[in-house]
Amino acid sequence: AQRVTQPEKLLSVFKGAPVELKCNYSYSGSPELFWYVQYSRQRLQLLLRHISRESIKGFTADLNKGETSFHLKKPFAQEEDSAMYYCALVITGGGNKLTFGTGTQLKVEL
Amino acid sequence: KAGVTQTPRYLIKTRGQQVTLSCSPISGHRSVSWYQQTPGQGLQFLFEYFSETQRNKGNFPGRFSGRQFSNSRSEMNVSTLELGDSALYLCASSLRAGRVDNEQFFGPGTRLTVL
Repeated sequence: AQRVTQPEKLLSVFKGAPVELKCNYSYSGSPELFWYVQYSRQRLQLLLRHISRESIKGFTADLNKGETSFHLKKPFAQEEDSAMYYCALVITGGGNKLTFGTGTQLKVEL
Repeated sequence: KAGVTQTPRYLIKTRGQQVTLSCSPISGHRSVSWYQQTPGQGLQFLFEYFSETQRNKGNFPGRFSGRQFSNSRSEMNVSTLELGDSALYLCASSLRAGRVDNEQFFGPGTRLTVL
């Protein structure tokens, strides 16, 4: 069965510092990967997805199939980036079933 | 347009009771998925419905069931509630099913407390 691992429960960085939220997955095929974000008192929402190759709010994520990783990166953290971040995957033929990691709480300090 | 709505937002039940939660997807969305969120297990997939048919089911006991109506609204039911069923239940809707690049839009959740 597929699995998503986010090793850090909490990541604290200073404003302006680079951010890297780690995500590793296990699946024998080629899944589609996503990052979802939940800001304080807001709904869970899509941040970015691998298939779109996009940069959202300065965040990017690169898929490394050799290391089965999909780390989320941003060169300069902003205070408004403080939130809970979830890495998730969908497998081919799995419909809309998202398998989530346990999440990383990002805290950006001034 | 209006987002995904879930009712009720909060619910308190006692062990052994049953509960029904409701989800109204974004207009035009035909796929609805349900997730359970707990501090211990995180976000776990319950089931997915598309055009009134269950397309996917997670690893939950048969006490958890769901359905979808012709207007795409969905309900999930939990019978014989246990303390461990206390959780935030999230509903997500998307335009279609079967495409891995689907964006899912989440509702605010229903907080269920079982006493």
